[in-house]
Amino acid sequence: EPEVTQTPSHQVTQMGQEVILRCVPISNHLYFYWYRQILGQKVEFLVSFYNNEISEKSEIFDDQFSVERPDGSNFTLKIRSTKLEDSAMYFCASGAGTAYEQYFGPGTRLTVT
Amino acid sequence: DQQVKQNSPSLSVQEGRISILNCDYTNSMFDYFLWYKKYPAEGPTFLISISSIKDKNEDGRFTVFLNKSAKHLSLHIVPSQPGDSAVYFCAASDSGAGSYQLTFGKGTKLSVIP
Repeated sequence: EPEVTQTPSHQVTQMGQEVILRCVPISNHLYFYWYRQILGQKVEFLVSFYNNEISEKSEIFDDQFSVERPDGSNFTLKIRSTKLEDSAMYFCASGAGTAYEQYFGPGTRLTVT
Repeated sequence: DQQVKQNSPSLSVQEGRISILNCDYTNSMFDYFLWYKKYPAEGPTFLISISSIKDKNEDGRFTVFLNKSAKHLSLHIVPSQPGDSAVYFCAASDSGAGSYQLTFGKGTKLSVIP
C-alpha cells in the first residue's frame, strides 16, 4: 500500500540553525501539507501546496518557513532560523484530487536546543 | 480557539464491547469530518470520514454519526479489539472556502482491555 515517508525521523539542531525536513508524498497525489504537533498539544495546520504553489498557510507559517517541491517526488519544509518553540513533531500529508482525506507520514521529531 | 473539541482525554473499554468517541465543533462552516487513529511514534492514520450531507457512514467495525444541529459527531467501534488501543483524533474542514486545511481536536486515548 502506498504511503507517505519522511526523513529524518529525528532532527536535533541548535537555535538559529536552518533545518530542512523532507517528505515523499504518495505518488499520484496532488495536494501536499505540513502539520506540526507540539508535545501535549493538538495537531496544527501549517501550510498546503498545490500546483507548485502555496494554496493556504496558517499564522504559524511565518517568513521563517518555506516549502518546496524541488522535483517530482520530494516535498520539503525549511525553517530558516530555528527557535526553541519550533520543537515539535512535523507531519507531512498528501491528498488526491478532490478527496478530503489526507494521508500522513510518520513524522519528524525536531528538537531545537 | 478550540473549534474542534474532544472533551474526553481518555476512554477504557472491555474487549468485544462498543467504544464511543465523541467530538464537538463550533464552526458551523465545517462540512467534512474525519477520524484519525494514531499510535505512538507514528503519524495519524485515516479511519473514516463523513460529509455534512450525511448523518451516518459505516466502514466495517467503524461507524461515524453526525448530528449537525448539535454540532456533534461520534465514532463507534464495534466490537472493540485490543489493537484499537490508540489516540483517536477528530478533524474537520470547510470545503466551501475551497480549503482542505484540517482542524484537529486534542484527541482521545482509547484503551481496549482484553
